[in-house]
Amino acid sequence: DQQVKQNSPSLSVQEGRISILNCDYTNSMFDYFLWYKKYPAEGPTFLISISSIKDKNEDGRFTVFLNKSAKHLSLHIVPSQPGDSAVYFCAARATTSGTYKYIFGTGTRLKVLA
Amino acid sequence: DVKVTQSSRYLVKRTGEKVFLECVQDMDHENMFWYRQDPGLGLRLIYFSYDVKMKEKGDIPEGYSVSREKKERFSLILESASTNQTSMYLCASSLRNFETQYFGPGTRLLVL
Repeated sequence: DQQVKQNSPSLSVQEGRISILNCDYTNSMFDYFLWYKKYPAEGPTFLISISSIKDKNEDGRFTVFLNKSAKHLSLHIVPSQPGDSAVYFCAARATTSGTYKYIFGTGTRLKVLA
Repeated sequence: DVKVTQSSRYLVKRTGEKVFLECVQDMDHENMFWYRQDPGLGLRLIYFSYDVKMKEKGDIPEGYSVSREKKERFSLILESASTNQTSMYLCASSLRNFETQYFGPGTRLLVL
């Protein structure tokens, strides 16, 4: 039972254009959502997060949008650059018995074409 | 600069061997996590620890155990390695009430 889903395994975008990565979730109790970026042979690195009480968070070229009614999260990268080519994971945080647990999606491989 | 290190980048073991994967963080983080990453399945939580000597099962703990004797070190143990445990293993840490996890570079384990 996948609580966090990334339905697009891959995405190709031209340099300079917008990249939109999507994520859907099923558990309305998630209180934080995060995006991580992963290059081959490296661990994931934190990119941007959003609290469940907000609907948008922006950091430079990266913006995350949260639609709680649709249980949908998206990451926008504008403008896309070749160095953005990586696998992107969305993650959601659940609190259980006072401790945090993170549920990750399956990842979307972004390729930015020069 | 935050740092999470894992003892090996690549490991090859035989079926039935006992395998130790070590993770060390230098950020004084309370929480530490072990995940495995498999194609098409994303990152799945094996075990996590929110304090020294404390541990909690994640989503796929079967076949694994963990040890946290010191705050900075979190070990993952495969008591008797099997071929279905061939995977990329990722360690992460975070502050107790902070949402961001910091990941190590990963250990790619091959069990023959």
